[in-house]
Amino acid sequence: GAGVSQTPSNKVTEKGKYVELRCDPISGHTALYWYRQSLGQGPEFLIYFQGTGAADDSGLPNDRFFAVRPEGSVSTLKIQRTERGDSAVYLCASSLEVYTEAFFGQGTRLTVV
Amino acid sequence: EDQVTQSPEALRLQEGESSSLNCSYTVSGLRGLFWYRQDPGKGPEFLFTLYSAGEEKEKERLKATLTKKESFLHITAPKPEDSATYLCAVRVSNDYKLSFGAGTTVTVRA
Repeated sequence: GAGVSQTPSNKVTEKGKYVELRCDPISGHTALYWYRQSLGQGPEFLIYFQGTGAADDSGLPNDRFFAVRPEGSVSTLKIQRTERGDSAVYLCASSLEVYTEAFFGQGTRLTVV
Repeated sequence: EDQVTQSPEALRLQEGESSSLNCSYTVSGLRGLFWYRQDPGKGPEFLFTLYSAGEEKEKERLKATLTKKESFLHITAPKPEDSATYLCAVRVSNDYKLSFGAGTTVTVRA
């Protein structure tokens, strides 16, 4: 596709459930990022992939959060035992290479009830 | 700790009323300052990258400038379609992530 694609656009889940959020980056982009954005705030870094490996996962808030990118393209952010505080917009971005501009998807709005 | 601060938080303009947004940063080893536009319910849309003090970039009614401590986004003769939240982010040497400010929400009235 022409841009970064994220699915689903919206996800409502019950507290304690497991969720997966998917990101399909721009074709050919080697770098992929996950961010989380709360209302009225700028995006907050979660994890960065270069190729298939997580080069920096320092932003993941705890061990309930995990992300994979097995073939160096599509990535999945996984959240176990969801809590109401996990409610936010989860943004994915990709860039052609390290240090070049990152292009964002439209985000997945996660609501934990 | 690296910090990015944007001001003002909100800006209300009349159509045609030019103004500037500020992004101040305290980082070591700047490896790029990025401006994004974000519409409600959408992801950030890339606008500009600035790499060194004195650099300027322009796109339609927007012009971004960079000094050693801050960046300005100038909006010249804005139109209602320029209404959005404008986000500033920095990237530093030996780090790949973007660190964002909280944004400035611009509302342009016709």
